[in-house]
Amino acid sequence: AQSVTQPDIHITVSEGASLELRCNYSYGATPYLFWYVQSPGQGLQLLLKYFSGDTLVQGIKGFEAEFKRSQSSFNLRKPSVHWSDAAEYFCAGGATNKLIFGTGTLLAVQP
Amino acid sequence: DGGITQSPKYLFRKEGQNVTLSCEQNLNHDAMYWYRQDPGQGLRLIYYSQIVNDFQKGDIAEGYSVSREKKESFPLTVTSAQKNPTAFYLCASSTDRGRNSPLHFGNGTRLTVT
Repeated sequence: AQSVTQPDIHITVSEGASLELRCNYSYGATPYLFWYVQSPGQGLQLLLKYFSGDTLVQGIKGFEAEFKRSQSSFNLRKPSVHWSDAAEYFCAGGATNKLIFGTGTLLAVQP
Repeated sequence: DGGITQSPKYLFRKEGQNVTLSCEQNLNHDAMYWYRQDPGQGLRLIYYSQIVNDFQKGDIAEGYSVSREKKESFPLTVTSAQKNPTAFYLCASSTDRGRNSPLHFGNGTRLTVT
């Protein structure tokens, strides 16, 4: 069965430190993959998407993600975290009408 | 600015009452979706509609109903048959009818049933 897994429920980083949020997918073919961010009580905002081609994808707010087929991963990275990045992050995969979301990773940023 | 408007932001109902959540978009998107979000469970698809007057069940449609009479509107009714209705409900839309276009989300409605 198709699945998207985010192994880390909660991560805390210091402001200015680098960040990597993990996402693993299980699909037969190359999936469509997305990262979304959600602030408390708000909807989700698209950070970046991968459909095909270059495996390193650039997104908004200085985020990037790398698709690694051999590891079935699509990890989200940011070189230097800002306090405003504190939020919940969701990885999702599949076609739009059958999108499967991970359970989310809550990011806390320490001053 | 174009976007998705969900109303109200907070909704309180007594058990046994039906309640309708509003979702309106002015993005001219063909497809619209309803998701339910519970802590620690990610988002689960309730219903989606790829075109006016047509909609499909998602993974957790039981106890919910929808209509799509206009392209801009996709209201969700939470019926008394829904066993656990308290949750955060998110409406979304996309340009593409179910392929690979990203979802655009509203800001959600938090429903509390007591």
